[in-house]
Amino acid sequence: EAQVTQNPRYLITVTGKKLTVTCSQNMNHEYMSWYRQDPGLGLRQIYYSMNVEVTDKGDVPEGYKVSRKEKRNFPLILESPSPNQTSLYFCASSLRRRQDTDTQYFGPGTRLTVL
Amino acid sequence: QKEVEQNSGPLSVPEGAIASLNCTYSDRGSQSFFWYRQYSGKSPELIMSIYSNGDKEDGRFTAQLNKASQYVSLLIRDSQPSDSATYLCAVPNQAGTALIFGKGTTLSVSS
Repeated sequence: EAQVTQNPRYLITVTGKKLTVTCSQNMNHEYMSWYRQDPGLGLRQIYYSMNVEVTDKGDVPEGYKVSRKEKRNFPLILESPSPNQTSLYFCASSLRRRQDTDTQYFGPGTRLTVL
Repeated sequence: QKEVEQNSGPLSVPEGAIASLNCTYSDRGSQSFFWYRQYSGKSPELIMSIYSNGDKEDGRFTAQLNKASQYVSLLIRDSQPSDSATYLCAVPNQAGTALIFGKGTTLSVSS
């Protein structure tokens, strides 16, 4: 089944404890992206990747890191989480690099709480 | 930075009625428009895309685009309780590297 998977789905952690949220897609997609979704603010892009070893900042990259060592995986790293990173996180992928005409497929989401 | 505006709702319609969801966008140069549906606690999923002025129909869904007025709308005919969700309007950013999402309109269909 074609899908985007994320793990963990739920995570409660404490300030400053490094964590990684994994994202994997099995559709051989070029493009992958991370969004966060907050009430009243909607979906905002954190980072994106157009290809292996090619990543770039989105609109809200502060406090996050990513890597794209393999085409299928795009982990999101929070080196020192803070309470303002409490959010619902979505990974997304699409076949083509440009998003003008392509469908983005979203993972199931990771609900993160930082105490 | 492009902006996408949607009425947050909630929009309440009875079962069988037509639900009309609207979206306005700031960049007159935008060429592509997407409607995503998001059930509570779930991820967004694409339901319609539209690139040309006019209407595009897919089953009970019709997307309407008016570039001169910079708005795009989604009509849902014969609304069902299962259509109750938040509908997100999105346009690509200028670089084509991301989708800019509106905050979404919550639709509630009562049986």
